[in-house]
Amino acid sequence: EVQLVESGGGLVQPGRSLRLSCTASGFTFGDYAINWFRQAPGKGLELIGFTRNKAYGGATDYAASVKDRFTISRDDSKSIAYLQMNSLKIEDTAVYYCSRGGGWSDYWGQGTLVTVSS
Amino acid sequence: EIVLTQSPGTLSLSPGERATLSCRASQSVGSDYLAWYQHKPGQAPRLLIYGASTRATGIPDRFSGSGSVTDFTLTISRLEPEDFAVYYCQQYGGSPRTFGQGTKVEIK
Repeated sequence: EVQLVESGGGLVQPGRSLRLSCTASGFTFGDYAINWFRQAPGKGLELIGFTRNKAYGGATDYAASVKDRFTISRDDSKSIAYLQMNSLKIEDTAVYYCSRGGGWSDYWGQGTLVTVSS
Repeated sequence: EIVLTQSPGTLSLSPGERATLSCRASQSVGSDYLAWYQHKPGQAPRLLIYGASTRATGIPDRFSGSGSVTDFTLTISRLEPEDFAVYYCQQYGGSPRTFGQGTKVEIK
């Protein structure tokens, strides 16, 4: 069974850092692009970045809203993708989801809440 | 960036009724580079449709997608109690991939 589980969310002060993990099981992790999305309170879904599969060397791309602050990495040997979030802002408060797939996302995690507040 | 506009914002219907959801793109997304998702509070989004009209694995045939280029529709032929949720369209024909703002299907 394909599963994606996010972890690492919580309450953090503005300007601080947080690292989220996306732990996968049930499929060959390295064969798939992994995406990070977020949904701010009362808002829709936003793609914040992704890492391509091993065939593309795990290359990454980011939304303008998080570029230069967030970094996505992956460890195919552990089937885990990471989202390193630095210089967090209040507007980064959201539920963060990871998903599988380079075009559409066929499997998603249930999300982890990140609250940025002083 | 391709902007997706979904309408209506909220659809109030009764179980057994037909739901028709619209997604319009600000520019072409390619012929069929569009997906639909169902999202319930506290749950993972669920892929319903990709390629504009292909049902994902395990999705009941009461869900159908149609359209191309800039105008797309998700139809739920007969609403079941578990279908009341928020529905998002997403395009993957342009970079970055973008979502519509969602249509909430609520019980009338």
